[in-house]
Amino acid sequence: GNSVTQMEGPVTLSEEAFLTINCTYTATGYPSLFWYVQYPGEGLQLLLKATKADDKGSNKGFEATYRKETTSFHLEKGSVQVSDSAVYFCALTNTGGFKTIFGAGTRLFVKA
Amino acid sequence: NAGVTQTPKFQVLKTGQSMTLQCAQDMNHEYMSWYRQDPGMGLRLIHYSVGAGITDQGEVPNGYNVSRSTTEDFPLRLLSAAPSQTSVYFCASTSTGAEQYFGPGTRLTVT
Repeated sequence: GNSVTQMEGPVTLSEEAFLTINCTYTATGYPSLFWYVQYPGEGLQLLLKATKADDKGSNKGFEATYRKETTSFHLEKGSVQVSDSAVYFCALTNTGGFKTIFGAGTRLFVKA
Repeated sequence: NAGVTQTPKFQVLKTGQSMTLQCAQDMNHEYMSWYRQDPGMGLRLIHYSVGAGITDQGEVPNGYNVSRSTTEDFPLRLLSAAPSQTSVYFCASTSTGAEQYFGPGTRLTVT
């Protein structure tokens, strides 16, 4: 069945450091891939998405590229801020489907 | 658009009590779902619906009931609350192949 694996946290970085959160997936067909972010006390919200191989999703300085050959969708940001402290979830939905498979989430702490 | 709304935001129940968590969306999405999120864990799917009158179980359905009489509303009922149901509950909606839209969550404590 479909699954999403992301790196365990917590990840602790200093402000302006480079961020990578690894995400790999297993799926049949050609899923759409997503990164969601959850700030303290809130629901999940979409951060970025990619719907086909080699697409790059980007938002708020975050980027992720859909790599079909390595079944990966790693999240990167060149310079993190304290306000980026949150839990990040990688997820997939099969094309034409609606059921979303979520990774376990990675908590990011950014120190000033 | 209000998006996905949930009520209440917080609730405390005694063991054995029943209650209904409300969820509504105004985006005309056919697909709605309920998740629970426990500390240190990701999201676990409780129940979902692919349209009015159609519901199905997710991975942790025991102790919960749902119904979908309209496209907009998808309430979650706790039949007899147990301490193991202490959690944060999220409702979400989506259309085919698109991203999920989440409500703000209901924090439930069962004593």
